[in-house]
Amino acid sequence: AQSVTQLGSHVSVSEGALVLLRCNYSSSVPPYLFWYVQYPNQGLQLLLKYTSAATLVKGINGFEAEFKKSETSFHLTKPSAHMSDAAEYFCAVSTMNSGYSTLTFGKGTMLLVSP
Amino acid sequence: KAGVTQTPRYLIKTRGQQVTLSCSPISGHRSVSWYQQTPGQGLQFLFEYFSETQRNKGNFPGRFSGRQFSNSRSEMNVSTLELGDSALYLCASSLVSGVNNEQFFGPGTRLTVL
Repeated sequence: AQSVTQLGSHVSVSEGALVLLRCNYSSSVPPYLFWYVQYPNQGLQLLLKYTSAATLVKGINGFEAEFKKSETSFHLTKPSAHMSDAAEYFCAVSTMNSGYSTLTFGKGTMLLVSP
Repeated sequence: KAGVTQTPRYLIKTRGQQVTLSCSPISGHRSVSWYQQTPGQGLQFLFEYFSETQRNKGNFPGRFSGRQFSNSRSEMNVSTLELGDSALYLCASSLVSGVNNEQFFGPGTRLTVL
């Protein structure tokens, strides 16, 4: 069975600083990996996804993530944080299980951005 | 193109009651998945429907059920509500069912059980 671990339930950065949100996955088969963002009182919005085409994936709003199989990691980064990036971020893994796909989410990381 | 819509947005019920939540997927999307989001457990998969058939089910008691109509709209029902059912219920739609299909999420229905 697959699982996702997000290190740090809260991450605080200053505006303009590097954003690094950590995600490690566990999967017995090649995974498809996703990062979603959730703003208050809203649903989840896809930031980017890894589907084995390239290990460095670029997403919306300047975010990118790198798939490292040896480390079973898919960390999310952004060079310079904006106040509008303050939200909760979820890493998710999707694999096939008994013929059906299942999307499993991490617990989420709340990103706090200070001026 | 309109996004995923969920109704109602907020709901307050008492223990023992039942509730039905509705989800309208993006036009053309045939797969609808439901998730429960709570502060303690995070996002947990409830079930997925595709072409009116339940394809996959998470680890929830039988009090949680759902269905999908021919127009892909979906409903989920929770019977005999418990305090622990208080949560944000999210619906997501995708074109088809599969591992790399992007799921588009609705804003959710916030259920409070008193």
